[in-house]
Amino acid sequence: KNQVEQSPQSLIILEGKNCTLQCNYTVSPFSNLRWYKQDTGRGPVSLTIMTFSENTKSNGRYTATLDADTKQSSLHITASQLSDSASYICVVSDRGSTLGRLYFGRGTQLTVWP
Amino acid sequence: EADIYQTPRYLVIGTGKKITLECSQTMGHDKMYWYQQDPGMELHLIHYSYGVNSTEKGDLSSESTVSRIRTEHFPLTLESARPSHTSQYLCASSETGGQTDTQYFGPGTRLTVL
Repeated sequence: KNQVEQSPQSLIILEGKNCTLQCNYTVSPFSNLRWYKQDTGRGPVSLTIMTFSENTKSNGRYTATLDADTKQSSLHITASQLSDSASYICVVSDRGSTLGRLYFGRGTQLTVWP
Repeated sequence: EADIYQTPRYLVIGTGKKITLECSQTMGHDKMYWYQQDPGMELHLIHYSYGVNSTEKGDLSSESTVSRIRTEHFPLTLESARPSHTSQYLCASSETGGQTDTQYFGPGTRLTVL
C-alpha cells in the first residue's frame, strides 16, 4: 500500500533554533517528492521538489534531503523564525498512472516560540 | 504566489442547502483538482479535471459534483449540504506535461454545515 508517514506529528521550538522533520514513504514507482508549507487557514505552498536522482535541495533556510534507497526524506529548517510556524507536508508522486498520483502525509505541525 | 482563487473563504450554512464553491486560476493550467482536508489529516483528492469538459472522481468518495466549462473555472457543488460535509476544501491546478507537475493551491474554503 502506498503511504507517506511523517514524524513528529507536532514540534515546538524556540526562535533561532534548527529543526529536522522526517518523511518515510512506500510509494512505488517513485517519481518525485515535494515538501509543502501550509499556514493555518491557507493552501499549501511548495518549498522544494526532488526527483529520484537528487539527494538534496535548498530553498533559503529550508534544506530537503532524499534517500531513494531507504525511501526517506527530511526537511531541515535553519535559524527558525516565528513565520515558520505552520504545517509541513510531505507529498510523494508516482508515475504509475496517467494522473501522476500524489500521496500526502498528514504533516508536521511546527510551532516556533519567541 | 500562485494565481488561483477560491470563494468564499468561509461558509456557514444550514443542512439541506445547495452550495457552490468557486475556484478559478489565471495561469492557463489544464489540470485542476479539488481536495478535502480535515484538521490534522492528509489531503484527500475528491475530483480532478484534465481540461474543458473533462471531470473525474478522485480517491475519496464525495457527494459533491464538479464542472469544467472553461479552462480557468472549476466549481464544486453540493446539492444538499449535511454536517458530514463540514471540512476544508482546497482547489489546485497544475500544468500539463513536465516532470514535476507541481500543483498550486488556492487558499481554501472552510465549510461548516449546521
